[in-house]
Amino acid sequence: GQNIDQPTEMTATEGAIVQINCTYQTSGFNGLFWYQQHAAEAPTFLSYNVLDGLEEKGRFSSFLSRSKGYSYLLLKELQMKDSASYLCASLDSNYQLIWGAGTKLIIKP
Amino acid sequence: GAGVSQTPSNKVTEKGKYVELRCDPISGHTALYWYRQSLGQGPEFLIYFQGTGAADDSGLPNDRFFAVRPEGSVSTLKIQRTERGDSAVYLCASSLMGPTANTGELFFGEGSRLTVL
Repeated sequence: GQNIDQPTEMTATEGAIVQINCTYQTSGFNGLFWYQQHAAEAPTFLSYNVLDGLEEKGRFSSFLSRSKGYSYLLLKELQMKDSASYLCASLDSNYQLIWGAGTKLIIKP
Repeated sequence: GAGVSQTPSNKVTEKGKYVELRCDPISGHTALYWYRQSLGQGPEFLIYFQGTGAADDSGLPNDRFFAVRPEGSVSTLKIQRTERGDSAVYLCASSLMGPTANTGELFFGEGSRLTVL
């Protein structure tokens, strides 16, 4: 079956660094997405990885290991506005996005 | 408009009624997706249009759900004989060229929150 696993909730402190992990098992693989979703809002695109390695984009970085079926999203210099759910999604062999349930990130001052 | 627009933003209906939810994608985006999302869950795929045709409708839960995109732009999701279990946020997303393009980045609307009493 197809499965995306990520922690349900994480807490971090303003100014710190946090890493949100995601493991995936999908039929085929055409890339891994991270989206951010604030409460009662639409998801917004953060990153896309299809090759192994780290992609850095400002305070946010995303890492992929295809052999391990593993990705993480790294958030640096955390700000209160980063409090949101972070959704991991894998693009399977049919180019359909398989979504995780999301990780709710709580930032404390 | 600049983004994906969905109407209504909120819909409360009674069990057994018919509901239509509308999505106006970003101009020029050929791919359009419908998802539904329950609280604390990720989006659940319903249907994907490439142009006017439904390229993949495997996510529609049963024959009470139907979607159209007659002119390749605006799409309507139609739910017949609504049930309490249909209550969710229905998200529409569009992308420029579909999932096989470089990133297939999706742009989501704000969603239509459906409550079936």
